[in-house]
Amino acid sequence: DAGVIQSPRHEVTEMGQEVTLRCKPISGHNSLFWYRQTMMRGLELLIYFNNNVPIDDSGMPEDRFSAKMPNASFSTLKIQPSEPRDSAVYFCASSLLTSGNEQYFGPGTRLTVT
Amino acid sequence: GESVGLHLPTLSVQEGDNSIINCAYSNSASDYFIWYKQESGKGPQFIIDIRSNMDKRQGQRVTVLLNKTVKHLSLQIAATQPGDSAVYFCAENPYNQGGKLIFGQGTELSVKP
Repeated sequence: DAGVIQSPRHEVTEMGQEVTLRCKPISGHNSLFWYRQTMMRGLELLIYFNNNVPIDDSGMPEDRFSAKMPNASFSTLKIQPSEPRDSAVYFCASSLLTSGNEQYFGPGTRLTVT
Repeated sequence: GESVGLHLPTLSVQEGDNSIINCAYSNSASDYFIWYKQESGKGPQFIIDIRSNMDKRQGQRVTVLLNKTVKHLSLQIAATQPGDSAVYFCAENPYNQGGKLIFGQGTELSVKP
């Protein structure tokens, strides 16, 4: 299995631009999670989906952030407009809810907003 | 409020020694706990997990201990190797919150050859 796939691995953009991060979960997994990691705040859960349905988006910082999961094999996290404080590493993780709660993480997208 | 925290932000051990990484949690309703290892530039990697109906679980060179009385979790690594150098996170899954995990701040383990 290829594991969780994220793209791009690195993104550098200017303040005000739209950023779209992509994630392909492990085939067969039915839960998908988006996290943000910074030195100051650690690893924070932004939103998660079960069976493509958003369950908890309480961690989404503000309306500039949105996430979608149109099907079981693809999810996006969009930031519009981006700000320098959004600079972080964004991780996607997936799990098979029925077999326990271990989540498998992707390699992350390092976002830099200048 | 709910939080998961670590007692020691950094830990330095000699190669071959045993390592113990500690974690405190505050949500007594949490029923599942998990340890992750994160190497530089990579995503967190699952190490071992434990459910609240257990107090000890062993894996390959790793043992997780759960003390629900004092809400304490620890990860023991036997015969620590240079490849164990990484940041270690504990995480808890509050009861009835689906797959949601709340992560601690992490402990950086440094193994000296």
